[in-house]
Amino acid sequence: QVQLQESGPGLVKPSETLSLTCTVSGGSISSYYWSWIRQPPGKGLEWIGYIHYSGSTQYNPSLKSRVTISVDSSKNQFSLMLTSVTAADTAVYYCARLNYETLAGYSNNYHYMGVWGKGTTVTVSS
Amino acid sequence: DIVVTQSPLSLPVTPGEPASISCRSSQSLLHSNGYTYLDWYLQKPGQSPQVLIYLTSNRASGVPDRFSGSGSGTDFTLKISRVEAEDVGVYYCMQSLQSRTFGQGTKLEIK
Repeated sequence: QVQLQESGPGLVKPSETLSLTCTVSGGSISSYYWSWIRQPPGKGLEWIGYIHYSGSTQYNPSLKSRVTISVDSSKNQFSLMLTSVTAADTAVYYCARLNYETLAGYSNNYHYMGVWGKGTTVTVSS
Repeated sequence: DIVVTQSPLSLPVTPGEPASISCRSSQSLLHSNGYTYLDWYLQKPGQSPQVLIYLTSNRASGVPDRFSGSGSGTDFTLKISRVEAEDVGVYYCMQSLQSRTFGQGTKLEIK
C-alpha cells in the first residue's frame, strides 16, 4: 500500500526558509491531491495546503504569503517551502494523500486526508 | 473564516460504554451540491492522525462500525457505540467547505 515519508532539516534558524519533502512509495503521485499539515508541540492540527499532481494548489489563507507547495512527478515527491520562519512555526509536519469519493450526480469528487506520513519534527531556533 | 469548536475537550469513558463528541461550525457546512463537508480524524498516542469519517457520516475504509457520524448544517456528532481501549486518543473534526479548519481536539481517555 502507499506510504509517505517526510524528510528535511530538523532545525531551521529564524527568518530562514523551512524546506521539507514528502516521498511517496508503493503508489504513483499521479491522479491525487497531496497535502501538508502541521502540529505545534502539545497543540492541535493546522492544515497548510495541498497540491494536485498537475500542479494546482490551495493554501491556508493565514499562511498563504509564506507557503509554496510543489510537486516532482518524476521523483514521486512533493515539497513544502515556508519562508521567514519564527518560533511559532516549530511543529511536527505531516504530509498526506487526499483520498477521493465520487459524489453521486456531480462531476466533482470529495477529498479527505486518507493516508498520512509519520511526521517530521522541525524546530525553529538560532 | 469558518471556526470549528469541539466539546468536550476531555472525555473519560468506561470501556464498553458509549461516547459522544460534539462539533459545531461558525457557519453551515452544507455545500451547494447537497453534501456536508465535515470529517473526523483520530490521533492515537504517538501516531499520525487517521481518518474515521468523511462527508459527515461516511466511515472510512477499515473503520469499525462502532464509530458513526451524524449532523447537518452547523452541528455534528461523532458517536462510539461501545468504547474499547484502543479508541484512546485525540479526536478532531475538520471542515473542508472553505479551506480546511480543524477543531481543537477532544481527548478520549479510559476511566
